[in-house]
Amino acid sequence: KQEVTQIPAALSVPEGENLVLNCSFTDSAIYNLQWFRQDPGKGLTSLLLIQSSQREQTSGRLNASLDKSSGRSTLYIAASQPGDSATYLCAVVLNAGNNRKLIWGLGTSLAVNP
Amino acid sequence: NAGVMQNPRHLVRRRGQEARLRCSPMKGHSHVYWYRQLPEEGLKFMVYLQKENIIDESGMPKERFSAEFPKEGPSILRIQQVVRGDSAAYFCASSPGTGGENSPLHFGNGTRLTVT
Repeated sequence: KQEVTQIPAALSVPEGENLVLNCSFTDSAIYNLQWFRQDPGKGLTSLLLIQSSQREQTSGRLNASLDKSSGRSTLYIAASQPGDSATYLCAVVLNAGNNRKLIWGLGTSLAVNP
Repeated sequence: NAGVMQNPRHLVRRRGQEARLRCSPMKGHSHVYWYRQLPEEGLKFMVYLQKENIIDESGMPKERFSAEFPKEGPSILRIQQVVRGDSAAYFCASSPGTGGENSPLHFGNGTRLTVT
């Protein structure tokens, strides 16, 4: 059974710091991995999607890496800003094809202090 | 292009009442997924539907819960005889049909159900 774990559960940093959020999964047979952001009381915003054949994806100040064999992904946030404060979730898709059922971690709650 | 639309945003029901949650997918998307986020727990998959078909309902409780995605209109998640344990945020996501496997899922803002 696939399980997704995110460490740390919570993180508080001063503005401007570079930081790394970790995600691990128990079954390396994933199809892709996706990082999301969730703001309090709001929906989920997709940040980055990494296909199983890829090693990393970048979008602006965000960089996500994937090491499928070791069951790990990291989300790197450069030069953090207060607006980055949110919960960051990672999720894996197990199956190829149209069933995009996601298995989720519990998230890392990030606070960036001005 | 409007995103995934869910309504209502907040729903309060007394124990024993019915709750109906609606989801309109993004334009051009024919696949809908429902997820539930319980307080202090992660998101859990409930059901995956295509137009007029339930494809995977392995995450949905066998009793009191049902889902549909009719040919016309939004997808509906229906909870009959609600109990306090049903209080949660319910999220809907949509994706394109064939060929969209590696495009990210798009989520709505969720419906927050409170059972009193």
